[in-house]
Amino acid sequence: DAKTTQPNSMESNEEEPVHLPCNHSTISGTDYIHWYRQLPSQGPEYVIHGLTSNVNNRMASLAIAEDRKSSTLILHRATLRDAAVYYCILRNAYSGAGSYQLTFGKGTKLSVIP
Amino acid sequence: DTAVSQTPKYLVTQMGNDKSIKCEQNLGHDTMYWYKQDSKKFLKIMFSYNNKELIINETVPNRFSPKSPDKAHLNLHINSLELGDSAVYFCASSQDLGYEQYFGPGTRLTVT
Repeated sequence: DAKTTQPNSMESNEEEPVHLPCNHSTISGTDYIHWYRQLPSQGPEYVIHGLTSNVNNRMASLAIAEDRKSSTLILHRATLRDAAVYYCILRNAYSGAGSYQLTFGKGTKLSVIP
Repeated sequence: DTAVSQTPKYLVTQMGNDKSIKCEQNLGHDTMYWYKQDSKKFLKIMFSYNNKELIINETVPNRFSPKSPDKAHLNLHINSLELGDSAVYFCASSQDLGYEQYFGPGTRLTVT
């Protein structure tokens, strides 16, 4: 399975943008990049996913490098509620039923300072 | 209007007992999952069910068995509980294989 590398922790001031990096240098052409987050004492929550092009939704933006070896999750304006562990996950869509599982790493713990 | 619900939220039991955790989703999804999050916060897939068929079965002990009475429910039965089974168990569902997953609030199991 392709692996991802994320910083263990990051800090951000409230109401400022946050850029959460993820390296995936061994990504294959059919690997989708997924982001989930887990707020304290809650289950993980889907944030966004993409394949090649940058993606935007109501929660965040996903910027994918041209060579796809890295990506950045962008929270445009951090709030206290965004304090969570953010997971960058690769999922291959064409490797059999087992490829649909999500393999969570350690993620990045984001702290938001009021 | 809870999407994925689990019961109980907390479960404390003794070694050797048999217990069940229930999961229900009201999203009309075809696929459901069980994950285990250990004390080090690593989250690992245990099972997934698609249209009532087990399609992923990770290397979990056969003391763990998923049971799906219908598409909206995937219960987790655990026999002969051990200390190492203490963890938070999350249920999740998705529209189909490969779609984004929606997680329940988790069940914290403590085995004494």
